[in-house]
Amino acid sequence: DAGVIQSPRHEVTEMGQEVTLRCKPISGHNSLFWYRQTMMRGLELLIYFNNNVPIDDSGMPEDRFSAKMPNASFSTLKIQPSEPRDSAVYFCASSFWGADTQYFGPGTRLTVL
Amino acid sequence: EDQVTQSPEALRLQEGESSSLNCSYTVSGLRGLFWYRQDPGKGPEFLFTLYSAGEEKEKERLKATLTKKESFLHITAPKPEDSATYLCAVQANAGGTSYGKLTFGQGTILTVHP
Repeated sequence: DAGVIQSPRHEVTEMGQEVTLRCKPISGHNSLFWYRQTMMRGLELLIYFNNNVPIDDSGMPEDRFSAKMPNASFSTLKIQPSEPRDSAVYFCASSFWGADTQYFGPGTRLTVL
Repeated sequence: EDQVTQSPEALRLQEGESSSLNCSYTVSGLRGLFWYRQDPGKGPEFLFTLYSAGEEKEKERLKATLTKKESFLHITAPKPEDSATYLCAVQANAGGTSYGKLTFGQGTILTVHP
């Protein structure tokens, strides 16, 4: 199994630019989670989906952040416009709905200059 | 609000020197407590899930235990390859939109010297 796939692995952009992060969950998993990790705040849940439907987006910090899951094998997290304080590592994780274990991808390290 | 506090923030051990990491939690009904290992530049890797007080799970040199207020990750005779950040997370036994959510602690950075 390929595991959770994220792209790009690294992204450097300038303030004000649009950033799109991508995630492919493990085949067969029907829950998908987006997390952000920083030194100050640790690992925080931003949003999660069940069967492609957003269930809880209360962790999304601002309206500049949006996430979509158009099908069971693909999700995006978009930041528009980006700001330096958005710099962090963004992780995607997936699981079976009702199962406890979430499997994480390798992350995307975002740097906003 | 669910809260997870891990201690110590960092732990340095000599190879073979056993020790324990602590995870204290408050949650409105515990569905599960999770331990993950995270290596630099990688995503968290699942280690254990504990569901009820008194439960224990083992994997190689690691043993996780659970009480009603905290969990311990015991490391017996650690090796340098055990060096990593160990994360603890809780999942509340709540319905609706809370289902599936993990709340993570800040982690303990473990360094094992040869």
